[in-house]
Amino acid sequence: DGGITQSPKYLFRKEGQNVTLSCEQNLNHDAMYWYRQDPGQGLRLIYYSQIVNDFQKGDIAEGYSVSREKKESFPLTVTSAQKNPTAFYLCASSIEDQPQHFGDGTRLSIL
Amino acid sequence: GENVEQHPSTLSVQEGDSAVIKCTYSDSASNYFPWYKQELGKRPQLIIDIRSNVGEKKDQRIAVTLNKTAKHFSLHITETQPEDSAVYFCAASSYYGQNFVFGPGTRLSVLP
Repeated sequence: DGGITQSPKYLFRKEGQNVTLSCEQNLNHDAMYWYRQDPGQGLRLIYYSQIVNDFQKGDIAEGYSVSREKKESFPLTVTSAQKNPTAFYLCASSIEDQPQHFGDGTRLSIL
Repeated sequence: GENVEQHPSTLSVQEGDSAVIKCTYSDSASNYFPWYKQELGKRPQLIIDIRSNVGEKKDQRIAVTLNKTAKHFSLHITETQPEDSAVYFCAASSYYGQNFVFGPGTRLSVLP
């Protein structure tokens, strides 16, 4: 959907480095989500936020951090503690009683 | 918490045949069930959804059925075409359409 923008499309991380993935939406959605997708696998929830300045851990939050300072933005930081970060990262947003809409994703690889 | 299972994990059909993918969920409070299609390297896109107060919903060649008693729902694609080849995910939600739990996905291949 054109309303959710993820950047960059491709990202490379060096050992011991933190990297931040951007997710911006102009849909006025309250809730935002981060998922990790490994090749041939389903979507695993990393973090989600239902309102500004509040967020909850998903199933695989270890090694990741997020912030929700603005309604439109939900950046994800992949820290050096995440030892296997290579994956396709998808951001999504939704509003009450409506389906999730996804961004185009960021593909993260290790250098 | 909610757990969603999906079967089969892979499905191959001949062009023109029908395809059926089934999902089961565990939380009886779940009330919203979307289906997403994901083509290789792209975002999941919503193709159809159903709410718990409805038993069936159709949109052209796609239909979804819901059995609340048995806690399962199914995606039906008729007259399959090569462009239907993709990975399909079901999901369940129990909080105003938020906090989705996704199934593991079904890779559908439509053979010409």
